[in-house]
Amino acid sequence: ETGVTQTPRHLVMGMTNKKSLKCEQHLGHNAMYWYKQSAKKPLELMFVYSLEERVENNSVPSRFSPECPNSSHLFLHLHTLQPEDSALYLCASSQGPGTGGYEQYFGPGTRLTVT
Amino acid sequence: SQQGEEDPQALSIQEGENATMNCSYKTSINNLQWYRQNSGRGLVHLILIRSNEREKHSGRLRVTLDTSKKSSSLLITASRAADTASYFCATDAAGAQKLVFGQGTRLTINP
Repeated sequence: ETGVTQTPRHLVMGMTNKKSLKCEQHLGHNAMYWYKQSAKKPLELMFVYSLEERVENNSVPSRFSPECPNSSHLFLHLHTLQPEDSALYLCASSQGPGTGGYEQYFGPGTRLTVT
Repeated sequence: SQQGEEDPQALSIQEGENATMNCSYKTSINNLQWYRQNSGRGLVHLILIRSNEREKHSGRLRVTLDTSKKSSSLLITASRAADTASYFCATDAAGAQKLVFGQGTRLTINP
């Protein structure tokens, strides 16, 4: 248990559905991240939030929409996804803004399948 | 890109043997971190080594950093079946606010 929880753990959705992934950290951290992990590809950073402000958006398609209502919660809203978006989506948090030499704590991930 | 690249991509050894994984990167860094991931799970931080450090130890783990060669190695001594996992290096570039992960080394410990 790393102190970062993600729900749901598994999600199957059609291309026309709208769903949301939720991440919560209980560590008092100031920065939160969304990553995408696909088979045979490096971990891809999607979004970074520092003190609830988005500081990084790695050219992610608009069908992925992040939301950070407070420093403990992070959402990833999904709509009209494509089959190639099927992946493990990982949330992480760290103590300081950005990385600043701080380790990141990861949640268990949401396994997303788009049909 | 300053993406770390791990070598080898896969490693299979007998329990009790030592496992060595290597990571190379391309640009100047503030620090380099190693993470472990069990199949289908989140990553777990193992160790962080700063650019002014050359070696760090944590239990059975030993990490070295050679900034002149832009490379790092992770040594796991006296391996156990529970060490079976993927291992990733991640670099924190100077001025960046993010970690960049490599593709990882898949380590299998055979009983």
